[in-house]
Amino acid sequence: GAVVSQHPSRVICKSGTSVKIECRSLDFQATTMFWYRQFPKQSLMLMATSNEGSKATYEQGVEKDKFLINHASLTLSTLTVTSAHPEDSSFYICSAEVGGRSFYNEQFFGPGTRLTVL
Amino acid sequence: GENVEQHPSTLSVQEGDSAVIKCTYSDSASNYFPWYKQELGKRPQLIIDIRSNVGEKKDQRIAVTLNKTAKHFSLHITETQPEDSAVYFCASILTGGGNKLTFGTGTQLKVEL
Repeated sequence: GAVVSQHPSRVICKSGTSVKIECRSLDFQATTMFWYRQFPKQSLMLMATSNEGSKATYEQGVEKDKFLINHASLTLSTLTVTSAHPEDSSFYICSAEVGGRSFYNEQFFGPGTRLTVL
Repeated sequence: GENVEQHPSTLSVQEGDSAVIKCTYSDSASNYFPWYKQELGKRPQLIIDIRSNVGEKKDQRIAVTLNKTAKHFSLHITETQPEDSAVYFCASILTGGGNKLTFGTGTQLKVEL
């Protein structure tokens, strides 16, 4: 149980285009999903927290107009990188929170999406 | 906000030896500390975790210790094997406070034959 998928796994696009990444919880409902970005040989940095049915909460320094997040259902959150530029090239990973636990709602990570902007 | 420091950044050990990775955190309110293993191009995998009311936890070859007073926690891997080679991340979280994980900077562990 607690499987999270991401699509696509890899995408190459031209500078200026927009890219949409999907994160799905396959066998559970996730009221909260998180989006991370990981540059090569660096740690995971939280970009935003996505709550079903409400606006996402962005971390300081993350442009909400550039990284659009939509959490339309309990099993799907999408991240759209608008007008992508080479500096947006990174590994984007989502996680979904399994709720209802007494102490900690564990996060399960998706397999990541490798974005390369030419 | 929370800040997590992790050392060393790289660690090379011989197969069968032990490996120790150390982390310190800044927010004394943090109460949950997971450790993740990440292979190249893959998702992070939770390998062990510890709550703030526990000083030590062990799972086969892996153990984690926590010193709340000093605000540091460590990962211990014994009898290392080549398949332990990966990047390891510590993290901290204040549960109930939005459940936001703060990751350490990572340790590249290489287990040599």
